Amino acid sequence: SAVISQKPSRDICQRGTSLTIQCQVDSQVTMMFWYRQQPGQSLTLIATANQGSEATYESGFVIDKFPISRPNLTFSTLTVSNMSPEDSSIYLCSVGGVGVETQYFGPGTRLLVL
Amino acid sequence: AQSVTQLDSQVPVFEEAPVELRCNYSSSVSVYLFWYVQYPNQGLQLLLKYLSGSTLVKGINGFEAEFNKSQTSFHLRKPSVHISDTAEYFCAVSGAGSQGNLIFGKGTKLSVKP
Repeated sequence: SAVISQKPSRDICQRGTSLTIQCQVDSQVTMMFWYRQQPGQSLTLIATANQGSEATYESGFVIDKFPISRPNLTFSTLTVSNMSPEDSSIYLCSVGGVGVETQYFGPGTRLLVL
Repeated sequence: AQSVTQLDSQVPVFEEAPVELRCNYSSSVSVYLFWYVQYPNQGLQLLLKYLSGSTLVKGINGFEAEFNKSQTSFHLRKPSVHISDTAEYFCAVSGAGSQGNLIFGKGTKLSVKP
């Protein structure tokens, strides 16, 4: 399985600001995914990020709020823009790939918006 | 589209007792099934998965699960739990060959008491 790291591991931010979360994988992967886990809730897929193409967003998530970059096969970023307290969540990246049925998750970024 | 139901939000058990965490799914296509575990303040770790073949799958830490197609279930079991098994457990499903789009259940919090 891939080794995945995320930065920052946690942060406390003021409303109206933006935070960029980084996800680094130790091997090349085709597909990277970003999930949100709101307090006491399950995981919800935000978007799928493939290298060399625009991210695909799930219903309820938009690019202006959650812009994603995927510059190469080992790295991706998720930005949470114009934050409000409702954005307080754990944000997790995961990796999979063509022919790879299993997703492996990073440790998550714990975000608190005041 | 797929959906997942975890019937128990919390399961308290005593150490060395057996445990079963229930998961039912619905899907109009063939599925892959997964159990992930989330220890306090950590990311998700893959516990086990069913892709095809034997319906009884064994995972890490002594856990196993059985895929029952007729009952659309994928219950997780362990014959004797330890304090260290205290965590939240998530059942997830994806359409076979979908290359992503994991749908998670709401999670079951397992509390093991001495």
